[in-house]
Amino acid sequence: KNQVEQSPQSLIILEGKNCTLQCNYTVSPFSNLRWYKQDTGRGPVSLTIMTFSENTKSNGRYTATLDADTKQSSLHITASQLSDSASYICVVSAYNNDMRFGAGTRLTVKP
Amino acid sequence: GAGVSQSPRYKVAKRGQDVALRCDPISGHVSLFWYQQALGQGPEFLTYFQNEAQLDKSGLPSDRFFAERPEGSVSTLKIQRTQQEDSAVYLCASSFNGRGGRNQPQHFGDGTRLSIL
Repeated sequence: KNQVEQSPQSLIILEGKNCTLQCNYTVSPFSNLRWYKQDTGRGPVSLTIMTFSENTKSNGRYTATLDADTKQSSLHITASQLSDSASYICVVSAYNNDMRFGAGTRLTVKP
Repeated sequence: GAGVSQSPRYKVAKRGQDVALRCDPISGHVSLFWYQQALGQGPEFLTYFQNEAQLDKSGLPSDRFFAERPEGSVSTLKIQRTQQEDSAVYLCASSFNGRGGRNQPQHFGDGTRLSIL
């Protein structure tokens, strides 16, 4: 069983709308959690990195939250743009340097 | 360039052939990672280098997969006797290995899309 589960698997929204992507994990002991954006045919690009003590971090229209107690994270995208269409991947690292990738959420923003 | 560069971008090979994939990390980055990404899935870890030392190769799926980084910069991932299930995107990432070890921001290349016929 994958130690990082993302939902939904895919999502379609209209331009200008907000959306929230979810990431649940069982990786332990927890070190940090990252969200990446991966455009089609490109490599992932880091959006945010959060450690145990951080429960929210923003990067422009992207805001990530972390609840280390419930082992859940979310990525909220505000005022979506067509260029937000991509896969969003959650990556959780343990203190032994083990990194686990989620399967990603495929977001499509339509005009 | 300033980013991680991978070549070739696309590679088509017949089953049974050997292939070599190249990764040029960001200059000065100590850590280098290889990942395999199947269509619609997240990347799966293959192997990790710190300078020229291969510290973790636990993700390599078989002994047909071999990676090296002889001078601590450019890395090559070689797949021998390729099989159809090797078809995937192979991603390389590098990071500046500070005191945080592997928990540093990773910079990914755009990958090599390998298709085995």
